[in-house]
Amino acid sequence: KQEVTQIPAALSVPEGENLVLNCSFTDSAIYNLQWFRQDPGKGLTSLLLIQSSQREQTSGRLNASLDKSSGRSTLYIAASQPGDSATYLCAVSSSNTGKLIFGQGTTLQVKP
Amino acid sequence: GAGVSQSPSNKVTEKGKDVELRCDPISGHTALYWYRQSLGQGLEFLIYFQGNSAPDKSGLPSDRFSAERTGGSVSTLTIQRTQQEDSAVYLCASSLWQGRQNPPLHFGNGTRLTVT
Repeated sequence: KQEVTQIPAALSVPEGENLVLNCSFTDSAIYNLQWFRQDPGKGLTSLLLIQSSQREQTSGRLNASLDKSSGRSTLYIAASQPGDSATYLCAVSSSNTGKLIFGQGTTLQVKP
Repeated sequence: GAGVSQSPSNKVTEKGKDVELRCDPISGHTALYWYRQSLGQGLEFLIYFQGNSAPDKSGLPSDRFSAERTGGSVSTLTIQRTQQEDSAVYLCASSLWQGRQNPPLHFGNGTRLTVT
């Protein structure tokens, strides 16, 4: 059974810092891995999707890497801003239905 | 274009009542998913639709929960005889199913259900 773990559960950093969020999964047979952002009281916004054949994806200040063999992914946020404050969720697809298994999330606070 | 739309955004109901939650997926998206997010819990998969059929219902927590999809579009999640532990945010997502490579899921803003 696929399990996804995110560390740390919460993180507080001063504005301008670069930071890394970690995600690990137990079954390396995945189709893809997706990082989401969730603001309080809102739904999920997709940030980056990495297919199983890819090693990384970049979007603006965000870079996500995937190491399938070790069951790990990282989300790197450069030059953090207060507007980056949110919960970041990692999810993997291990089924050809596209169903996602989620981690518990990392709640990020960026202080001005 | 329009994203995934869910209604109502908030629902308060008394224990024992039935509720219906609605999801309008992105037009043309053949795959539709329901998830539940409880306080302090991660997102829990409930059910997956491909078109109007539900090949994966493995996440439905009890027979009080059911869902249907009509016209390959709108889906309704029904909870009968609601219990306090059903209180959660119910999220719907849709995607374009492309076979071997799974496309991204697009989520709605959810329905916050409170059972009193």
